[in-house]
Amino acid sequence: DAMVIQNPRYQVTQFGKPVTLSCSQTLNHNVMYWYQQKSSQAPKLLFHYYDKDFNNEADTPDNFQSRRPNTSFCFLDIRSPGLGDAAMYLCATSPLNSNQPQHFGDGTRLSIL
Amino acid sequence: AQKITQTQPGMFVQEKEAVTLDCTYDTSDQSYGLFWYKQPSSGEMIFLIYQGSYDEQNATEGRYSLNFQKARKSANLVISASQLGDSAMYFCAMREVSNSGYALNFGKGTSLLVTP
Repeated sequence: DAMVIQNPRYQVTQFGKPVTLSCSQTLNHNVMYWYQQKSSQAPKLLFHYYDKDFNNEADTPDNFQSRRPNTSFCFLDIRSPGLGDAAMYLCATSPLNSNQPQHFGDGTRLSIL
Repeated sequence: AQKITQTQPGMFVQEKEAVTLDCTYDTSDQSYGLFWYKQPSSGEMIFLIYQGSYDEQNATEGRYSLNFQKARKSANLVISASQLGDSAMYFCAMREVSNSGYALNFGKGTSLLVTP
C-alpha cells in the first residue's frame, strides 16, 4: 500500500546532541511537510518542500533544518535539541491540488534527556 | 489571528448515539478547503472528510458527515452511530489556496470520549 513512513517511531536523545528524523513516501507527492506537535496541542507547521523548493515558516527556530534528497525522502535535523523540543514530529505529504488531503505518517515521538 | 476555532475541548457521547463537533473558520479567500482529521492516542493523524468552499452539497464519508454553512463560516463534523473506537482527538483544519504548498491551519482539537 502507498504510504508515508516515519522512522523511528520513538527517539530518545540527549540535551544538545544532534538528532535526525526520517520520512519516506511511496505516494509520489510533490509536497512534503514537517509538523511539530506538543502535548495537547495542534500540529504546528515547521517547513515544507514543494519538490526541491524549501519553504520555512517564519517562526521555525534555526535549530531545525530539513533535507529532501529526492522525491521519496525527507529528513528533519535538530542540531542542538533542547528540553522544549520534546514533541511528536509528524511528516505529511500531498499533491499540489487543494482538494486533496495531506497524508500523515505515524509520527516520531522525540524525548530529550 | 486564529484561523480555525474549535470551542469544545472535550465531548462525551454514548455508544450508538450521534455527536457533532464544532468548527468555525476565518478566511478572506474565496477558494479554500476544510478537512477533519482523527488522532487516536497512538498519535497518527487519520484523514476523515473534506469539504471544498465551492462544493454545494455537504460532504459525507460513511458515518462521517460535514455540516457546511458557508455564510456562518462553520464546518461541523457529525459522527453518527458512535463506536468505542471513535474515542480520539479530532482536528478541524483549513487549507487556503493563497498559501504556497497548501499548508494546513489546524484548530486546537476536540477530545471525544465514547462511553458504553
